[in-house]
Amino acid sequence: SYELTQPPSVSVSPGQTARITCSGDALPKQYAYWYQQKPGQAPVLVIYKDSERPSGIPERFSGSSSGTTVTLTISGVQAEDEADYYCQSADSSGTYKGVFGGGTKLTVL
Amino acid sequence: EVQLVESGGGLVQPGRSLRLSCAASGFTFDDYAMHWVRQAPGKGLEWVSGISWNSGSIGYADSVKGRFTISRDNAKNSLYLQMNSLRAEDTALYYCAKDTSDYGDYLFDYWGQGTLVTVSS
Repeated sequence: SYELTQPPSVSVSPGQTARITCSGDALPKQYAYWYQQKPGQAPVLVIYKDSERPSGIPERFSGSSSGTTVTLTISGVQAEDEADYYCQSADSSGTYKGVFGGGTKLTVL
Repeated sequence: EVQLVESGGGLVQPGRSLRLSCAASGFTFDDYAMHWVRQAPGKGLEWVSGISWNSGSIGYADSVKGRFTISRDNAKNSLYLQMNSLRAEDTALYYCAKDTSDYGDYLFDYWGQGTLVTVSS
């Protein structure tokens, strides 16, 4: 089955830039989305269609794509950005199926 | 205001069944695909199942295929998940999520707060 691979954890100091990657063979053909999830809360969409930012999401959140890897970049990380981040996409086999990456815990030191 | 309210979770014995419901409001329900996503305690998100606006396209994760059935009633603005032959590994918080398209782009702009399913003897 199709998989998206993320690093389990990323740590940065406040004000630095955090980069979280997500790899998948079908990402050149399928859009990727990014969700932020804080403890006890439902996920919140922070990036869609690889690099688009929903209204209300701070400009420090951005996304990019290169080949089989998409990257979520958080510039000028703030303490409130500490959360789990998940990439998501569609299975490329033509079946009606979605897939999430394993998630990345962002720790703000 | 878009609202998704899940219900039907609880404690159930292995091998038994449970039916989850998701009541939707604040948008035109039959214009959008809908999905179920689950999260086991301390674990990541797992897409479980999705259904297009008219129930014409339906999909399941391999882990639940053949045991779970998704359905919707557009007249009642409701989404359902019938879960049979439950296993301990199905224990999770089950979220209902709204897609941004009618067929299903797997882009979820609204989520419910989830309903907890615990499978244990």
